[in-house]
Amino acid sequence: DTAVSQTPKYLVTQMGNDKSIKCEQNLGHDTMYWYKQDSKKFLKIMFSYNNKELIINETVPNRFSPKSPDKAHLNLHINSLELGDSAVYFCASSPGLGSLEQYFGPGTRLTVT
Amino acid sequence: GENVEQHPSTLSVQEGDSAVIKCTYSDSASNYFPWYKQELGKGPQLIIDIRSNVGEKKDQRIAVTLNKTAKHFSLHITETQPEDSAVYFCAASKGNNRLAFGKGNQVVVIP
Repeated sequence: DTAVSQTPKYLVTQMGNDKSIKCEQNLGHDTMYWYKQDSKKFLKIMFSYNNKELIINETVPNRFSPKSPDKAHLNLHINSLELGDSAVYFCASSPGLGSLEQYFGPGTRLTVT
Repeated sequence: GENVEQHPSTLSVQEGDSAVIKCTYSDSASNYFPWYKQELGKGPQLIIDIRSNVGEKKDQRIAVTLNKTAKHFSLHITETQPEDSAVYFCAASKGNNRLAFGKGNQVVVIP
């Protein structure tokens, strides 16, 4: 009965490759997020979708493209991976616009070599 | 934008003692202050939160206090246990779906 799930948990790939991370939530929430956690543990929001519509788009390289096929899923595609993309990526969800509590997935550790 | 500062960066406590982590925020419009616990290899877990119309909130061994005038809030863990060892993050929000996180505190409970 996992609330927010992500796949894969670990991703090791070479520079220049394209990869995707998938996220699904079964909480019935309308809003989903992608966060990046760097090596110093700092959590920074990247994107947010509400009911499949983009509502937050932080200063993130164009190589990162989120996609929400429905409100229960938010995927993250990364083109032309760079060394600096190595981090842990967390998906999160919250009930809806203006709602406050956010619930995080287990994370995907991306290592670019 | 909102800037959240968290102190200390690392805190070691003896099992059974109390731990206190303090955060300050910059935007007086912030009205929601959650605390997250992140264990090794896991995602952040919401453990307690407080809204700006409340000064204190308690849930078993954890409590959060908020001082809106001074723009700071604190997490208190009493009777610490080894399973309390984790990284704790504070955050602040204006209710616009954006959470501004502090840099995290590593809490180590020494048995």
